[in-house]
Amino acid sequence: AQTVTQSQPEMSVQEAETVTLSCTYDTSESDYYLFWYKQPPSRQMILVIRQEAYKQQNATENRFSVNFQKAAKSFSLKISDSQLGDAAMYFCAYRSTYGGSQGNLIFGKGTKLSVKP
Amino acid sequence: NAGVTQTPKFQVLKTGQSMTLQCAQDMNHEYMSWYRQDPGMGLRLIHYSVGAGITDQGEVPNGYNVSRSTTEDFPLRLLSAAPSQTSVYFCASRLGRAGTYEQYFGPGTRLTVT
Repeated sequence: AQTVTQSQPEMSVQEAETVTLSCTYDTSESDYYLFWYKQPPSRQMILVIRQEAYKQQNATENRFSVNFQKAAKSFSLKISDSQLGDAAMYFCAYRSTYGGSQGNLIFGKGTKLSVKP
Repeated sequence: NAGVTQTPKFQVLKTGQSMTLQCAQDMNHEYMSWYRQDPGMGLRLIHYSVGAGITDQGEVPNGYNVSRSTTEDFPLRLLSAAPSQTSVYFCASRLGRAGTYEQYFGPGTRLTVT
């Protein structure tokens, strides 16, 4: 079974600085999707960025980018020019493309990011 | 489009009571799912459905029932609530099971069982 591990329960960053959130996963599959979700205090789950495992190029969405290391099974999220609105819980998630479990998201336990003004 | 809607937003139950958490989507999505979120545990899959009439269990299905009679609705039933079911529940939907379709989440239901 696949697992997702976020080893940093909490992180802190100064406004305008850069922060990297870590995520590792375990799978025997060669094709899959990886996601980062943001959950602000409103509880709403917001998709930040997605990566398809067959794509070697790292995904980027404005100030958010990932460092996808397939061999190392690592998928970190970099937030540049951090803003107060980035303060939230961040979840890394895995989705299989095979078999009965395809379509189901497997989440890490989350990293709580605080942004200091 | 209203997206994914969940009712109620908050609920308090006594141990042994039953209730149904409602979930609806108006995007004609085939795939729907229920997750629970507990502090320090992330989101865990309870049940999912790949279309009307088809449901299956996720990681933590015990104590919950689901059915999918229409494409739009995917209710989650607690037959006999227990304090261990105190959690925040999220419903989510996606156009299809496979592919890169984005998954849309509802706003969540905070359930407390006393």
